Amino acid sequence: GAGVSQSPSNKVTEKGKDVELRCDPISGHTALYWYRQSLGQGLEFLIYFQGNSAPDKSGLPSDRFSAERTGGSVSTLTIQRTQQEDSAVYLCASSLVILAETNTGELFFGEGSRLTVL
Amino acid sequence: AQSVTQPDIHITVSEGASLELRCNYSYGATPYLFWYVQSPGQGLQLLLKYFSGDTLVQGIKGFEAEFKRSQSSFNLRKPSVHWSDAAEYFCAVTTYDYKLSFGAGTTVTVRA
Repeated sequence: GAGVSQSPSNKVTEKGKDVELRCDPISGHTALYWYRQSLGQGLEFLIYFQGNSAPDKSGLPSDRFSAERTGGSVSTLTIQRTQQEDSAVYLCASSLVILAETNTGELFFGEGSRLTVL
Repeated sequence: AQSVTQPDIHITVSEGASLELRCNYSYGATPYLFWYVQSPGQGLQLLLKYFSGDTLVQGIKGFEAEFKRSQSSFNLRKPSVHWSDAAEYFCAVTTYDYKLSFGAGTTVTVRA
């Protein structure tokens, strides 16, 4: 597709359930990022992929959170045993190059997956 | 610690009036600076960015921003706002790596 695609756009789940959020980046973009946007807060970095590798997972809040990327393309963010504090909008972004490698670096964002944990 | 601060949580401006959104950063090195806009129900869209050179940067939708090293600021401006500029605006910075750090955002309301 032309842009970053995320699904589902909305997910309501019960506390304790597992959820999977999907991100389909722009074709050819090697870098992929997950961010979390909570109400009234900025965007919180979760994880960064370069190809299928995740050199930086430092933003994942707990071991209930995991992410993978396959084929250098689609990424899945999995939250196990969801808690109410996991409620947020999860944003995926991709970029053609690493930001600081060139002055043309830019992140392209999807519309996000809104997660509500009851 | 490195940080990005947007001091104004919410700004209300009349249509046709000028707009200025503040952004301050705290980084050891000169960062790369960005402004993104998020309209309701949409993803973030890049308005403009500063990497080097001229400290006054022009962006899309009539926005501009000025990098002031002495003040560690990168304020966003628009001379005359339109109702469609109502959105949330995020300042972001990165240093010599891949991670983009965002401010908490400023919500702009435009009144007729």
